[in-house]
Order: sequence, then C-alpha cells, then structure tokens
Amino acid sequence: SAELTQDPAVSVALGQTVRITCQGDSLRNYFASWYQQKPGQAPLLVIYGNNDRPSGIPDRFSGSTSGNTASLTIFGAQAEDEADYYCNFRDSSGSQWVFGGGTKLTVL
Amino acid sequence: QVQLVESGGGVVQPGKSLRISCAASGFTFSDYGMHWVRQAPGKGLEWVAFIWYDGSNKYYTDSVKGRFTVSRDNSEKTVYLHMSSLRAEDTAVYYCAREIFGVLSDHHVMDVWGQGTTITVSS
Repeated sequence: SAELTQDPAVSVALGQTVRITCQGDSLRNYFASWYQQKPGQAPLLVIYGNNDRPSGIPDRFSGSTSGNTASLTIFGAQAEDEADYYCNFRDSSGSQWVFGGGTKLTVL
Repeated sequence: QVQLVESGGGVVQPGKSLRISCAASGFTFSDYGMHWVRQAPGKGLEWVAFIWYDGSNKYYTDSVKGRFTVSRDNSEKTVYLHMSSLRAEDTAVYYCAREIFGVLSDHHVMDVWGQGTTITVSS
C-alpha cells in the first residue's frame, strides 16, 4: 500500500513560520488531510482538501501540495501549536487509508 | 454538539476476543461512514477499519484482516469493532472517527474523533 513520509521532529521559534511536510507518490493525485495531536488527547483535524480549515482552526494554519509533497504551514507559531502532526489520505485502491509517521513540533 | 464516545476497552489475554463500541450523537449517524484508528503506546496513528454509512462495505488494514470485524447499528447510532485472536501488538488506544466524504466534503476526511478507549493485550 502507499506510504507517507514525515520528518520525525521539527522546531520553530515562537512567532516564526514553520512548514511540516509529508511525502508520497500518491500525493500527486490526492489531497492530504492534517491532524494535530497533543499529549493525552485525540487527534484534531486542522487542514483538509485544497487548504480547507474546519471551524475553529486559526487561519495561521495553511495547507498546500507541490508534486509529491503536501505541506502544513503554521504562520506565526504559538506555544499552543506544540504537538504531533499527522498527514493522512485514502489511497488509490479506495479501500485503505494511510497515515504518515507523524512530526513532533517543538515551539521554542 | 457532534460527539463520539468509545467504550469497552480493558485488559485482555492474548488469543481472546473483545468488542469495543463508539456511540454517536449530535448528527445523523446513518449518513456517515465511520473509521477505527489506533495508536500503540508512544507510536503514531494507524488506520484500522472503515465501514460505509449503511454497513454495505467494510475495509481493513492488512494486519487485522480475518481477526477484526467492524459493524454498525444505525438505529442505536453505534459502530462496533469486534476483535478476536488478539495479540500483544494490538495493544493501543482505539479511536473512532467520522468520515465526511460525500456528505460534508468531496474529500476523504476524518473530521470528528472520540477520546479513545484503551486495549491492553497481556497475560
């Protein structure tokens, strides 16, 4: 089945911009969705489709795709954005969903 | 408000069976497909299973095929995951999540998640 690759860890200074990436050949044809997970909590959808944000998600979160790489960009990262971030998509078989390995974001 | 609440977790011996449940409220349950996703201790998210809105199609990740069965009761607004022949590597927090494709989006997205129920497989 398809695979999605994420950097295990990324750090950003408070107030700066950070990009978290997700690579996979299938991303050339499918949008990824992005989930934020804080310790002890359930995942929270932050970005899906062509840069759509659910209600309540700050507009500093933005999604994009270029080639085989999907990106989640946080403009002006805040302390509360420190979390694990996962990308996800349904693969071309139509019967399997795939998560990336996750990226731990540290806000310095 | 839209809510998913899992239950039924616990400690179970290897080789045994267990059924966990996910009760939905705040939306028309019978319109939505539902996922189960798990997270082993200290690990990432792993998709486990999906069931169509009407239960007519079910999909599983390879590691649970033949051992796990997803089902739903739309009259009770509940989705189930029956797990058999449990292994130590099935130890995880199990989340249910709502799929919004075809209802709220043209994309496959898990928009609402429960808080999870913990399964520990140990003798």
